[in-house]
Amino acid sequence: DGGITQSPKYLFRKEGQNVTLSCEQNLNHDAMYWYRQDPGQGLRLIYYSQIVNDFQKGDIAEGYSVSREKKESFPLTVTSAQKNPTAFYLCASSIGSARLGNEQFFGPGTRLTVL
Amino acid sequence: RKEVEQDPGPFNVPEGATVAFNCTYSNSASQSFFWYRQDCRKEPKLLMSVYSSGNEDGRFTAQLNRASQYISLLIRDSKLSDSATYLCVVNSISSGSARQLTFGSGTQLTVLP
Repeated sequence: DGGITQSPKYLFRKEGQNVTLSCEQNLNHDAMYWYRQDPGQGLRLIYYSQIVNDFQKGDIAEGYSVSREKKESFPLTVTSAQKNPTAFYLCASSIGSARLGNEQFFGPGTRLTVL
Repeated sequence: RKEVEQDPGPFNVPEGATVAFNCTYSNSASQSFFWYRQDCRKEPKLLMSVYSSGNEDGRFTAQLNRASQYISLLIRDSKLSDSATYLCVVNSISSGSARQLTFGSGTQLTVLP
């Protein structure tokens, strides 16, 4: 069964700690994305990757880092430099290049809470 | 001005009612348009793409007006299960020259029994 998985579903972090959110897809999609959603707001793009070993900053990349060593995986690290990391984090993927603006399919998300 | 604007609602309608949502976008070069549905505390799921000629999928009809830069979604014969937040999504050209999707903040719909 093809899809996108994210783990963990809930994550609690102490201030000053880095945490890594996992995102895996078996859809054979080239492009992958990370978004952040805050209550009552739209999704904001953190980073995206069009192909393996390549990624680009989105609108709110500060305090985050990513890697794309495999086509299937696009982990996101929330660093201690991110001032307000408590949010709902969504990973998505799309077929073909991000350049096409194709529809994106989402994983179930990770809720990160900073204590 | 936001790139994609939606009326946040909430829209509270009785079962069986017809409800319409509008969405405006600012980038006249946008080429792809979508409606996503997001249930409470869940991920967004693609409801339908929006084509220039308008398109229908069962009780759902989407229309695009390029001249006025707005998109609409019409839901007929509302069901309780239609209760969700509906996100208007438009592609745009980012500073990295790749087209990205810009998400509206969503319109909340509650269908009442």
